[in-house]
Amino acid sequence: AQTVTQSQPEMSVQEAETVTLSCTYDTSESDYYLFWYKQPPSRQMILVIRQEAYKQQNATENRFSVNFQKAAKSFSLKISDSQLGDAAMYFCAYRTLPNYGGSQGNLIFGKGTKLSVKP
Amino acid sequence: NAGVTQTPKFRILKIGQSMTLQCTQDMNHNYMYWYRQDPGMGLKLIYYSVGAGITDKGEVPNGYNVSRSTTEDFPLRLELAAPSQTSVYFCASSYPGQVNGYTFGSGTRLTVV
Repeated sequence: AQTVTQSQPEMSVQEAETVTLSCTYDTSESDYYLFWYKQPPSRQMILVIRQEAYKQQNATENRFSVNFQKAAKSFSLKISDSQLGDAAMYFCAYRTLPNYGGSQGNLIFGKGTKLSVKP
Repeated sequence: NAGVTQTPKFRILKIGQSMTLQCTQDMNHNYMYWYRQDPGMGLKLIYYSVGAGITDKGEVPNGYNVSRSTTEDFPLRLELAAPSQTSVYFCASSYPGQVNGYTFGSGTRLTVV
């Protein structure tokens, strides 16, 4: 079974600085998706960034980028120029390619990293 | 553009009571899911559905039931509420091949006392 591990329960960063959140996963699949979700105090789950496993190029979305190391099964999130609004829980998630009528395709989440941003 | 709508947002139940958490989506997504999130933990899959009339158990289905009579609706039923079911519940939906992952509802905070 696939698993997702986030080894940092809490992280802290100074405003305007850069922080990296770690995520590792375990799978025997060769093709899959990886995601980072942000959950602010409002509880809403917000997609931050995604990565298709077949793509070697690391995904980037404005101040958010990933370091995807497929052989090492590592998927870290880098937040540059941190802002107060970045303070939230961040969840790493894994998804296999879904089959119609099958059990694949369900998102598997890590336990999350709580990010604090200091002014 | 409603997306995924969950009701209620908050609820307090007494032990042994029953309730249904409602979830509806207007994006014509085939797949729908129910997750629970316990304090300090990630989301765990309770049940999912790949289409109307088809449901299957996830990682933590005990104490819950679901039905999927239409594409839009995927209610979650708690028959005999227990304190262990105190959690935040999220409904989500997606297309089978949706690269963007899921669209989530805003969650229901349930407390069982």
